[in-house]
Amino acid sequence: AQSVTQPDIHITVSEGASLELRCNYSYGATPYLFWYVQSPGQGLQLLLKYFSGDTLVQGIKGFEAEFKRSQSSFNLRKPSVHWSDAAEYFCAVAPTGGFKTIFGAGTRLFVKA
Amino acid sequence: DTGVSQNPRHKITKRGQNVTFRCDPISEHNRLYWYRQTLGQGPEFLTYFQNEAQLEKSRLLSDRFSAERPKGSFSTLEIQRTEQGDSAMYLCASSLDQGLYEQYFGPGTRLTVT
Repeated sequence: AQSVTQPDIHITVSEGASLELRCNYSYGATPYLFWYVQSPGQGLQLLLKYFSGDTLVQGIKGFEAEFKRSQSSFNLRKPSVHWSDAAEYFCAVAPTGGFKTIFGAGTRLFVKA
Repeated sequence: DTGVSQNPRHKITKRGQNVTFRCDPISEHNRLYWYRQTLGQGPEFLTYFQNEAQLEKSRLLSDRFSAERPKGSFSTLEIQRTEQGDSAMYLCASSLDQGLYEQYFGPGTRLTVT
């Protein structure tokens, strides 16, 4: 069955430190891969997406993610975290045709001064 | 375009009552999706429309749930005889039917069943 695992329920990083959020997926073929961010009271906002090509993708707000087929992973990174990055982050996969997106349980990011 | 909008943003209802939520997608998007999100979880797919046709429904969508998109524009999600377990955030998203199908989400409707 298709699934997405985000092993870390929450992560705390200091402002200015680097960040990596983990995501592993289970899927028969290479799916579309997404990272979304959800701030309190806000809808989910797409940070970045991957389908094919360069395995390192750049997104908005200085985020990037690397697709590793051998590890079935799509980890999200940011070199220097800002206090405004505190939010919930969701990794998601969708099949070709893209309609039934499956989300992970999310990782809540806390940023300390 | 102001993005995907959902109304109401919050709904409190008593068990057994019926509720209806509305979603207005981005105007040029012909795909529309409904998800449910409970506390501490990611969104779970409920159903999906291509224009006015409802093409897939999740097993999560019991007989008490019905969704429509009569003219291929806005959509409604109705829950009949609400139960406390229906309390959740109901999210709507829309996308084009080409490219990477990236979905744009509305702010959600938070339902509380007392």
